[in-house]
Amino acid sequence: DAGITQSPRYKITETGRQVTLMCHQTWSHSYMFWYRQDLGHGLRLIYYSAAADITDKGEVPDGYVVSRSKTENFPLTLESATRSQTSVYFCASSEGGTTSRNTEAFFGQGTRLTVV
Amino acid sequence: KNQVEQSPQSLIILEGKNCTLQCNYTVSPFSNLRWYKQDTGRGPVSLTIMTFSENTKSNGRYTATLDADTKQSSLHITASQLSDSASYICVVTPSWGYQKVTFGIGTKLQVIP
Repeated sequence: DAGITQSPRYKITETGRQVTLMCHQTWSHSYMFWYRQDLGHGLRLIYYSAAADITDKGEVPDGYVVSRSKTENFPLTLESATRSQTSVYFCASSEGGTTSRNTEAFFGQGTRLTVV
Repeated sequence: KNQVEQSPQSLIILEGKNCTLQCNYTVSPFSNLRWYKQDTGRGPVSLTIMTFSENTKSNGRYTATLDADTKQSSLHITASQLSDSASYICVVTPSWGYQKVTFGIGTKLQVIP
């Protein structure tokens, strides 16, 4: 199916464990993003990628690692999960960059992660 | 202080009524301002996009306005439907970098019969 999909939809993990959230898009969009959404905060950018093998930090990157070996995939890894990383995580992709009108970001359905 | 402030935080209206949501921002200069709709348990979906030179944009029953001088935007919903119940998020993209895109916290709208 065309679009952007995240997996898993729900995940419960223990403090200190490594967990990877998956994101896959079928549009061949250049840009991909990871955000977290918490009560009382707008979506906050964790990491983004402008193309395969090009990634950069966003606003809240600490404790997270990303990779992008293929254009369509952009996994997010929590190396040692902490309770403060309990959140809803959204992956997004877009065609263009900042100055392009094609900056509409298409979002996945989200992954609700609980760290206990 | 968030560079994108939205009001009200929540709103309840009767089906068929109109409503207006507000967004004040300090991000400057900016590339574009978007309004997103986020249904519960789903990712945000874009409703409208405006550059700094545009002052209105419509998408069906949704009309967004922008006043770049006062740094204010509004989203007007006409003849509300139950399916309009969602959070509406104002998003400002600065000119200098997508990594600095700023999302408002959103306005949670509930439309009741």
